[in-house]
Amino acid sequence: NAGVTQTPKFQVLKTGQSMTLQCAQDMNHNSMYWYRQDPGMGLRLIYYSASEGTTDKGEVPNGYNVSRLNKREFSLRLESAAPSQTSVYFCATGGLLDSRNQPQHFGDGTRLSIL
Amino acid sequence: RKEVEQDPGPFNVPEGATVAFNCTYSNSASQSFFWYRQDCRKEPKLLMSVYSSGNEDGRFTAQLNRASQYISLLIRDSKLSDSATYLCVVNTNAGKSTFGDGTTLTVKP
Repeated sequence: NAGVTQTPKFQVLKTGQSMTLQCAQDMNHNSMYWYRQDPGMGLRLIYYSASEGTTDKGEVPNGYNVSRLNKREFSLRLESAAPSQTSVYFCATGGLLDSRNQPQHFGDGTRLSIL
Repeated sequence: RKEVEQDPGPFNVPEGATVAFNCTYSNSASQSFFWYRQDCRKEPKLLMSVYSSGNEDGRFTAQLNRASQYISLLIRDSKLSDSATYLCVVNTNAGKSTFGDGTTLTVKP
């Protein structure tokens, strides 16, 4: 019963390198989200996908791209990593029940350091 | 003004104390409300939903005041293991979830 699985769990990059963070869910939720959380700070929404085939910008989308590959998978790509993108990245999923948003479920996070 | 605001704390309380957190929200169209718990550098986990009539889960009580647009979380008989950051979440029926920045609680022996 995996729920929300993120890979990798840790990654160190050099400035300018690119990488893709993967997220997969087996909860059959329509909505998926990417957040970043800097030390001592709250969650900030990067991008979200309300359903397969749609993506929308969140609060801090600059420097990131996303792909909603299918209902299960939502990836986050850093095209040219910068030290300011050092953070913990969380993927989350959410569903609708009776037209109301249900609580989101989070993956374990990816701890990303950019040197 | 942020859509969801919480007192960041920290709240430092002795074991056995009762502590309460408030969270205010600005969007009157908000439909559903939740409290999450987040341990240091780990993922947020759902603690409890907040229902209009108020609800209780063991030592935890959540309440909603729509008129004043705030939700609260009361923790009775605090345990050391309650030390964490507590996040409130407000959802609109437009599919948007907004997280507060969290309130940090430290329970001391």
